[in-house]
Amino acid sequence: LAKTTQPISMDSYEGQEVNITCSHNNIATNDYITWYQQFPSQGPRFIIQGYKTKVTNEVASLFIPADRKSSTLSLPRVSLSDTAVYYCLVRSGNTPLVFGKGTRLSVIA
Amino acid sequence: DAGVIQSPRHEVTEMGQEVTLRCKPISGHDYLFWYRQTMMRGLELLIYFNNNVPIDDSGMPEDRFSAKMPNASFSTLKIQPSEPRDSAVYFCASSSLGLGEQFFGPGTRLTVL
Repeated sequence: LAKTTQPISMDSYEGQEVNITCSHNNIATNDYITWYQQFPSQGPRFIIQGYKTKVTNEVASLFIPADRKSSTLSLPRVSLSDTAVYYCLVRSGNTPLVFGKGTRLSVIA
Repeated sequence: DAGVIQSPRHEVTEMGQEVTLRCKPISGHDYLFWYRQTMMRGLELLIYFNNNVPIDDSGMPEDRFSAKMPNASFSTLKIQPSEPRDSAVYFCASSSLGLGEQFFGPGTRLTVL
């Protein structure tokens, strides 16, 4: 399983764009990059998934360079409600998700 | 859909007692997962089922833990006997796209005194 490395914590002010970078140097050809979000006292929630280049949905964007050894989750104009732990995971079709410690994002007013 | 349902939401018990956690997956989902989350170890996968059959239980910490899925709409995670180090939040999750997007339940916070 590809190991991921992401910052332990980040702080941001409301209204700013937040970029969380994850490194996955050993990503395999069949692996996808997936991000989950976990609010306090709740289970994780799927945010976005991608294989290469850029993926965008109503919540976030995911940027993946050509070598796929890293990825960046971009949250536009964060609000206090975006305070959560964000997990970067690498998965292939036949392996279960392995969660690391994630990045604890604190949004400040 | 109501999402993944777990019960109880909170459980406080004494060391040595049997604890049973329950999960109802989202209807139509054929994968079910049990996770445990603690501050020290983060979110750990304990076991997962496909079509009610256990596929990988390598994350189950020891023989005191057991999980069953008697039908597609119900699963249990049992700890017998419980110990204080089992105190954690236990999450159940389900998915329908093979091992793709998982939907998590609200969790059961277990405290063993």
